[in-house]
Amino acid sequence: GAVVSQHPSWVICKSGTSVKIECRSLDFQATTMFWYRQFPKQSLMLMATSNEGSKATYEQGVEKDKFLINHASLTLSTLTVTSAHPEDSSFYICSASGSRDEQFFGPGTRLTVL
Amino acid sequence: GENVEQHPSTLSVQEGDSAVIKCTYSDSASNYFPWYKQELGKGPQLIIDIRSNVGEKKDQRIAVTLNKTAKHFSLHITETQPEDSAVYFCAATTNDYKLSFGAGTTVTVRA
Repeated sequence: GAVVSQHPSWVICKSGTSVKIECRSLDFQATTMFWYRQFPKQSLMLMATSNEGSKATYEQGVEKDKFLINHASLTLSTLTVTSAHPEDSSFYICSASGSRDEQFFGPGTRLTVL
Repeated sequence: GENVEQHPSTLSVQEGDSAVIKCTYSDSASNYFPWYKQELGKGPQLIIDIRSNVGEKKDQRIAVTLNKTAKHFSLHITETQPEDSAVYFCAATTNDYKLSFGAGTTVTVRA
C-alpha cells in the first residue's frame, strides 16, 4: 500500500516553455500533497503544501506564479513550472499524506531545461 | 522553525557490521520522526518512523531510538548488507505536518 506515482519520470524542455508534472496517490486518498525540489547531493527542500480543493501554501522564497500547483482531487496534484529556465533544472518530488502525518514519496521527476 | 541536524554526512561500514546515524532537532513541539532511504535517481522511501510517545521502535534489522529530553533520535541498522547502501534522511515534524529534513547520510556497505 501507500504507492505514489509521478509522471513524467524525466523531461527535457527548451527555455521559456512550461512543464507539467503529475503526482498521483494510487491506493489511498491523499488529503495533503507536498512538492519538493532536490539539487544534486542535497536534501529535500519543501516548495509548497496543497490540500484538495484549496489553494496551495508556498514556502518562503518560492514563486507561486512560477510554480503553479493544482490539487483537484484526493488522488491527483499537478505542478506546472511556467516559463522554465535552466536554473529550474532539478529533481522534483511529490509526497502524499492520508489521514495521519506519514508522507509517502513519489519516484521523482528529473527536469532539464536547455 | 524546526532545524534538524544529521551526522555523519558519510558512513562506510563493512558488510555485516552495524551503522548508526544520529539526528538532533530544535523544536520541542516536534512529535513525529520518520527516516527515509533514497537510492540514486529515486524518491525517498519511508523505512521506519517513531512518534514522541515512544522511546524505541524496531523493524527487523532497523531500529530507531528517540530521546525527547535531549531532542535527538538515531537510526540503527544491524547486519548491514550491500543493498543497504543509499542516502538516509532523518526528518521531524510538528502538528503542521511539514517535514524538516536533515542533510542526509551517504551509507556505503563494503562487501
